[in-house]
Amino acid sequence: NAGVTQTPKFQVLKTGQSMTLQCAQDMNHEYMSWYRQDPGMGLRLIHYSVGAGITDQGEVPNGYNVSRSTTEDFPLRLLSAAPSQTSVYFCASSQWGTSETQYFGPGTRLLVL
Amino acid sequence: EDKVVQSPLSLVVHEGDTVTLNCSYEVTNFRSLLWYKQEKKAPTFLFMLTSSGIEKKSGRLSSILDKKELFSILNITATQTGDSAVYLCAVRNNTDKLIFGTGTRLQVFP
Repeated sequence: NAGVTQTPKFQVLKTGQSMTLQCAQDMNHEYMSWYRQDPGMGLRLIHYSVGAGITDQGEVPNGYNVSRSTTEDFPLRLLSAAPSQTSVYFCASSQWGTSETQYFGPGTRLLVL
Repeated sequence: EDKVVQSPLSLVVHEGDTVTLNCSYEVTNFRSLLWYKQEKKAPTFLFMLTSSGIEKKSGRLSSILDKKELFSILNITATQTGDSAVYLCAVRNNTDKLIFGTGTRLQVFP
């Protein structure tokens, strides 16, 4: 199993550009989520999904969209990037209701100029 | 508003010292508390606690939860330089949301 994979590892954007951060898992986990991690702020939940076709907002959803068309994939879209979105983004997955362990991807470092 | 507070924010010790990291929480519909270790990469899972007073142990690391006083501690005995990391505490509620604290940065010097 590859676990949770994220692409790209690093990205530089200009303000106003759009992009999609990819996340995939091969563990058949129902629950997937996106976090951003900023210095002094800890990990903050952006969006999460409890299964294909179901998504919900987390703590800091503004400026981000998600979709969950398959169990495996949970992409995060930035429609119009802003410097405030400069951060490290982690995707995570877990088995809904049965396992408490969340498996994290390696992270995507995003810089918005 | 749900929140998780960790203390201290930063800790510097010498190898061989014992450290205690604290995590307090105010979370509606508590389900479990988790500890993670994060080096320069994604967090890795350490412990999951659901019941008060039952110590979880893994080598030199141990953790316990107090659901009455709403806190948990993570102990590391005989610290080593490889223990240097950020330790994250997170609380899961009954909708499966994880609320993270800001972390405690531990630096262990030889």
